[in-house]
Amino acid sequence: DTAVSQTPKYLVTQMGNDKSIKCEQNLGHDTMYWYKQDSKKFLKIMFSYNNKELIINETVPNRFSPKSPDKAHLNLHINSLELGDSAVYFCASADATGELFFGEGSRLTVL
Amino acid sequence: AQSVAQPEDQVNVAEGNPLTVKCTYSVSGNPYLFWYVQYPNRGLQFLLKYITGDNLVKGSYGFEAEFNKSQTSFHLKKPSALVSDSALYFCAVRDRGQGNAGKSTFGDGTTLTVKP
Repeated sequence: DTAVSQTPKYLVTQMGNDKSIKCEQNLGHDTMYWYKQDSKKFLKIMFSYNNKELIINETVPNRFSPKSPDKAHLNLHINSLELGDSAVYFCASADATGELFFGEGSRLTVL
Repeated sequence: AQSVAQPEDQVNVAEGNPLTVKCTYSVSGNPYLFWYVQYPNRGLQFLLKYITGDNLVKGSYGFEAEFNKSQTSFHLKKPSALVSDSALYFCAVRDRGQGNAGKSTFGDGTTLTVKP
């Protein structure tokens, strides 16, 4: 039973399109995150939510809009996709110590 | 502000030899420290963490790390490397005092290659 699952695993799309990535965790954690991993494998935090409330917005362009309908779900919608948005996007949830439980990633390729 | 430095992009060791992957950190408060491993085309997996107590932390797959407050380091070690340990390793720090508003900041990662 997958603890943190995100879909889709792969997205290939044209510049200017809009896309969404969904994430669900069944660990009962209150806090969820989106991280971006670029082509050099660097990991940067984008957003965090605690119990459906936005906590961290790490200077991400407002084309990126997270939504948390409940504390088990955190989705990411991206408008007007640009070439530089190509990356692997990881969803994660955290326990009380901050230990992160990652999904398998969603690889976005913008053509 | 908090930050993590992993000074080596790449570490190469022979199978059976000990390995060390270095990590130093900077945080204003008391740290939580973590190591994660990433295999190709996979998500990050937790290896071990320092929260409090014993400075030597033991984790998954025979890995361990020692918290050194004076040197602000948290180096990852294993006494005898396996080829299957070859992967990308990330060190991360989180400020304990931030609670639910906290975030983990990651180092740039170190690629470990273990040769037979």
